[in-house]
Amino acid sequence: KAGVTQTPRYLIKTRGQQVTLSCSPISGHRSVSWYQQTPGQGLQFLFEYFSETQRNKGNFPGRFSGRQFSNSRSEMNVSTLELGDSALYLCASSLDAGGDEQYFGPGTRLTVT
Amino acid sequence: EDQVTQSPEALRLQEGESSSLNCSYTVSGLRGLFWYRQDPGKGPEFLFTLYSAGEEKEKERLKATLTKKESFLHITAPKPEDSATYLCAVHEYGNKLVFGAGTILRVKS
Repeated sequence: KAGVTQTPRYLIKTRGQQVTLSCSPISGHRSVSWYQQTPGQGLQFLFEYFSETQRNKGNFPGRFSGRQFSNSRSEMNVSTLELGDSALYLCASSLDAGGDEQYFGPGTRLTVT
Repeated sequence: EDQVTQSPEALRLQEGESSSLNCSYTVSGLRGLFWYRQDPGKGPEFLFTLYSAGEEKEKERLKATLTKKESFLHITAPKPEDSATYLCAVHEYGNKLVFGAGTILRVKS
């Protein structure tokens, strides 16, 4: 069974731009969660989507948004990029909402210059 | 507030030298506690889920245990390939998954 895939793997953007990251969950998994990982803050929860609905949200500004499609694939968008948004963005999928076992993708490394 | 605290921050072991990593947590209603392993440049890899105090799970050289306030990840006779960052996460009822900062483990041959 294929694992969680994320595209692109690496991205370099300029301050003020916006970016869209994509995540394809494991086949049959209906929940997708997004995390931001930085050396200083560690892994921080962004949001969780289940059945195309945002189920839970972390403490991030409104510049961070996401959505989920009917095939469970998910995208997250960051608008008006700031230098502090440079991080590894990880997507995790699980069978159900609030899923106990989350399986992570390899992440997208975003660098904002 | 800090809900999940991992210690030590870093641990260096000789091959074969057993040790334990600690994860202490403060939540009102624990739905589950999770251990992950993360290698540099990769996403976390799921290891264990523990649901109630007294529960134990094992996988190869790793054994995870859970009490009402903390969890331990015991590593028996580690090998260099066990070197990684080990992350603990807590899932509180009705809430999101909260990760600890991790323990960086280095095993030297």
